[in-house]
Amino acid sequence: KAGVTQTPRYLIKTRGQQVTLSCSPISGHRSVSWYQQTPGQGLQFLFEYFSETQRNKGNFPGRFSGRQFSNSRSEMNVSTLELGDSALYLCASSRGTSGSSYEQYFGPGTRLTVT
Amino acid sequence: AQSVAQPEDQVNVAEGNPLTVKCTYSVSGNPYLFWYVQYPNRGLQFLLKYITGDNLVKGSYGFEAEFNKSQTSFHLKKPSALVSDSALYFCAVRASGGATNKLIFGTGTLLAVQP
Repeated sequence: KAGVTQTPRYLIKTRGQQVTLSCSPISGHRSVSWYQQTPGQGLQFLFEYFSETQRNKGNFPGRFSGRQFSNSRSEMNVSTLELGDSALYLCASSRGTSGSSYEQYFGPGTRLTVT
Repeated sequence: AQSVAQPEDQVNVAEGNPLTVKCTYSVSGNPYLFWYVQYPNRGLQFLLKYITGDNLVKGSYGFEAEFNKSQTSFHLKKPSALVSDSALYFCAVRASGGATNKLIFGTGTLLAVQP
């Protein structure tokens, strides 16, 4: 069974630009969550989707947005990039509904560098 | 508010010796607890979880963890460390009964196993 896939794996953008990251969950998983990982702030929750609906959102500015499609694939978008947005963005998928006891499986991440 | 503490930034152990990586948590209600491992330039890999039942949980690669409700701890253990266990370990928690998969992560503990 294929794991969680994320594209692209690496990305370099300039301040002020926008970026879209993609995540394909494990087949059959309908819950997708996004996390940002930085050396200073660690792992922080961005958002969670289930059945194309955002179920929860972390404390990030409105420049960060996401969506989920009917095939459970998810995208996140960051507009007006800032240097502080440089991070590893991790996607995770899970069986069951939001709040179930199932564990999340993470993709390899997208390394975003903003210059 | 939910929180996780990993009091040690780094744990050093000799190959063949037992290892312990500490984790304490704070959550309202009963917790779902997880351990993940991260190798350089990779995503997080699920090791084990505690949902309910037996306080000793066994996971992948010979790891186990002991849930202690009175001490609100969930320490990760392995009887005999391998050099290949060297990696960054994260403890995570969320409250059971909530309609979300959002995980709160600790700051991570770097495990260094010397040959």
